[in-house]
Amino acid sequence: SQTIHQWPATLVQPVGSPLSLECTVEGTSNPNLYWYRQAAGRGLQLLFYSVGIGQISSEVPQNLSASRPQDRQFILSSKKLLLSDSGFYLCAWSVLETVGAAFFGQGTRLTVV
Amino acid sequence: EDQVTQSPEALRLQEGESSSLNCSYTVSGLRGLFWYRQDPGKGPEFLFTLYSAGEEKEKERLKATLTKKESFLHITAPKPEDSATYLCAVHIGRNSGGYQKVTFGTGTKLQVIP
Repeated sequence: SQTIHQWPATLVQPVGSPLSLECTVEGTSNPNLYWYRQAAGRGLQLLFYSVGIGQISSEVPQNLSASRPQDRQFILSSKKLLLSDSGFYLCAWSVLETVGAAFFGQGTRLTVV
Repeated sequence: EDQVTQSPEALRLQEGESSSLNCSYTVSGLRGLFWYRQDPGKGPEFLFTLYSAGEEKEKERLKATLTKKESFLHITAPKPEDSATYLCAVHIGRNSGGYQKVTFGTGTKLQVIP
């Protein structure tokens, strides 16, 4: 069966520090991978989307970047965190034909102080 | 602008009291509508996919339906363990840059009281 691992679960970082969140998927090949951010009272915002190794799409300009160094590994990064980067970050995967039917990790609660 | 609106924002039910949650959308070219359940501090859990008006899906006490403008999540005889936030999302295909567009609503927080 397929599983998705996302870590860490919680993170407190000072403003201006770097960020690296990692997500790995097991039990499937060539998944679509996503990074979402969820702010209180707002819907999930899609940050990055990847259909393959090294292929990253983003429609939302931001202080964040994403990389996919391996088929089932997706990394969210920042060189310098801002207070506004605080939020609940979720990694997810899906198969191409059901792109909206995604399976989510447990999330990372990031607080920038 | 594509929009997804869920109502009510919060719903409190007695155990066994059936009700419905609404997800209305104003998008062009709907490719699919999805329902998720999210427990506090957890990632969303996928429930259903609906592709065309008139389609229905069921899982235990939940039934999702779809029309051309909205979807309903019917909860029959809910139990306290059904308490969660229920999210809907719509997939409207790709934009000119090939970017997949999936838009989520803000959710309905359901509380079922014993």
